[in-house]
Amino acid sequence: NAGVTQTPKFRVLKTGQSMTLLCAQDMNHEYMYWYRQDPGMGLRLIHYSVGEGTTAKGEVPDGYNVSRLKKQNFLLGLESAAPSQTSVYFCASSKRTSASTDTQYFGPGTRLTVL
Amino acid sequence: GQQVMQIPQYQHVQEGEDFTTYCNSSTTLSNIQWYKQRPGGHPVFLIQLVKSGEVKKQKRLTFQFGEAKKNSSLHITATQTTDVGTYFCAGPDSSASKIIFGSGTRLSIRP
Repeated sequence: NAGVTQTPKFRVLKTGQSMTLLCAQDMNHEYMYWYRQDPGMGLRLIHYSVGEGTTAKGEVPDGYNVSRLKKQNFLLGLESAAPSQTSVYFCASSKRTSASTDTQYFGPGTRLTVL
Repeated sequence: GQQVMQIPQYQHVQEGEDFTTYCNSSTTLSNIQWYKQRPGGHPVFLIQLVKSGEVKKQKRLTFQFGEAKKNSSLHITATQTTDVGTYFCAGPDSSASKIIFGSGTRLSIRP
């Protein structure tokens, strides 16, 4: 099992450019999440998905869009990158339980710099 | 909204000293989870506590869940350089579809 993988690992963009970050998981998890982590800071939830074809906004959704066309993939898009979006982006997934939210498995992260 | 707070923000200890981080939720939690993030790495799940007053140990790490299920702590006995990193607690939000992470406690160690 590869677990959670993220593509690319690093990227440098110019202001106004667009890009898509890809997250893939092979654990058949229902839930997937996108977080951003700024230097020395905690994790902030951008968007999440509770199943194929469904997405929802997290704490900091502005400037980002997501899609979950396949259960194993969760894409994060930046339509017009801004320097404030310079960050490390983590994808995570978890299985659905009847009781409560299950533990999250994180990908290795994508380090994005916007000039 | 629901908040999960962690203190201290930073702790710098001499190797061999003990370390404790505290987590407090604004609401009662069905469970509390702890994660560790090494410098330059990604968060990795450590443990989940579910029962009121629960105490779990992993070698030198002791995790506690408060009686009211609103607070938790992580205690490391006799720290080692391998313990360096940021420790996050997290609890499910009211919808149970996502978890709320605490701000984390960054542990650094003097050899």
